Amino acid sequence: NAGVTQTPKFRVLKTGQSMTLLCAQDMNHEYMYWYRQDPGMGLRLIHYSVGEGTTAKGEVPDGYNVSRLKKQNFLLGLESAAPSQTSVYFCASTPMGEWPYEQYFGPGTRLTVT
Amino acid sequence: AQTVTQSQPEMSVQEAETVTLSCTYDTSESDYYLFWYKQPPSRQMILVIRQEAYKQQNATENRFSVNFQKAAKSFSLKISDSQLGDAAMYFCAYRTYSGAGSYQLTFGKGTKLSVIP
Repeated sequence: NAGVTQTPKFRVLKTGQSMTLLCAQDMNHEYMYWYRQDPGMGLRLIHYSVGEGTTAKGEVPDGYNVSRLKKQNFLLGLESAAPSQTSVYFCASTPMGEWPYEQYFGPGTRLTVT
Repeated sequence: AQTVTQSQPEMSVQEAETVTLSCTYDTSESDYYLFWYKQPPSRQMILVIRQEAYKQQNATENRFSVNFQKAAKSFSLKISDSQLGDAAMYFCAYRTYSGAGSYQLTFGKGTKLSVIP
């Protein structure tokens, strides 16, 4: 049982390049989330999904797209990377309607855009 | 929108001593959930403790306990008998309804805790 995994762990992009971050969970959770963490800002929600084929915007969605084609995977895409997207990205998942409503986090992806 | 405020960017504590990290939040909801997460240098987010707003009793988990003051919208974390492994960033989080039966977490900006040997 690997929990929540993220690929890659580190990445350096040039401005304007595109990439996709992959989040996978093997806990059969319905809900999945993408956060970004910047120094002094805590974690902020980018996009989330309440089930396969559905996604919704969070607090800071601009410049990102997501897809959830399979229940266990949640992809975060950057179509044209900008230096402002330099951050650490976390994926999380949670089961539907189950106490203690804990979100299980992946190990994070450090992305640098030059 | 709910906001979570952690007013102490950094704190330090002597090993074996007690430290309290503060958190306040703003909400119009009457029933909600609050969490403290720990993020060590490894970056992994680890749930420390959780509190249901409708419960008056403060949650405890071994050396970790909370002081939940619902009227004051305050949710502080007390760490007793501090250990070197407690050194980390600590985030307070509020569970917010985000529609379609889903909930999201709103995080504070974090408090960096150092433990002095």
